[in-house]
Amino acid sequence: DSGVTQTPKHLITATGQRVTLRCSPRSGDLSVYWYQQSLDQGLQFLIQYYNGEERAKGNILERFSAQQFPDLHSELNLSSLELGDSALYFCASSVGGANTGELFFGEGSRLTVL
Amino acid sequence: QQQVKQSPQSLIVQKGGISIINCAYENTAFDYFPWYQQFPGKGPALLIAIRPDVSEKKEGRFTISFNKSAKQFSLHIMDSQPGDSATYFCAASPQGRNDYKLSFGAGTTVTVRA
Repeated sequence: DSGVTQTPKHLITATGQRVTLRCSPRSGDLSVYWYQQSLDQGLQFLIQYYNGEERAKGNILERFSAQQFPDLHSELNLSSLELGDSALYFCASSVGGANTGELFFGEGSRLTVL
Repeated sequence: QQQVKQSPQSLIVQKGGISIINCAYENTAFDYFPWYQQFPGKGPALLIAIRPDVSEKKEGRFTISFNKSAKQFSLHIMDSQPGDSATYFCAASPQGRNDYKLSFGAGTTVTVRA
């Protein structure tokens, strides 16, 4: 158990809809990362938050947004969903300091867009 | 664009054999190179990591070899066991103040036959 909690574990929705994925990081971790995993693209970095502020951005679509709240949990919002958005979405957390590089991943939220 | 190129896509090895996975990168700013192991239905978990000031790091049956001039690194799994069957991802990251935006390879699925 990594200590990172993601909900929901599975989500099935239709094209054009909007969903929210939630992540609770490990206790004490200030950084939260979102990754998208699909069969043909591997693990793609989407976005990172550190202590409530956006720190780094990857290949995140404009239809996607995220935020980190004062209690450090994070939400990833996916809107105007398309079939190609079907994937496993992982949240990871880290202490955030420069001396450690380990990311702790949750078990993922599997999104299916029909 | 994949910043870290990983090969092979999959491999099958007999129990007791050696599994070798190779990765290459271009970004000379990368200075942290972890390997993550992912079992089906789980998130990736850190297996072993190396920084470029050493050419090799060994932890149990797992060894990372690093060639800075060639910008390549590899994972060797010695005495492979059925429990090692998983997907392995190499990754790389530049060292930042509070930013460990890992770029992952596409993954290698390892199957160890008993």
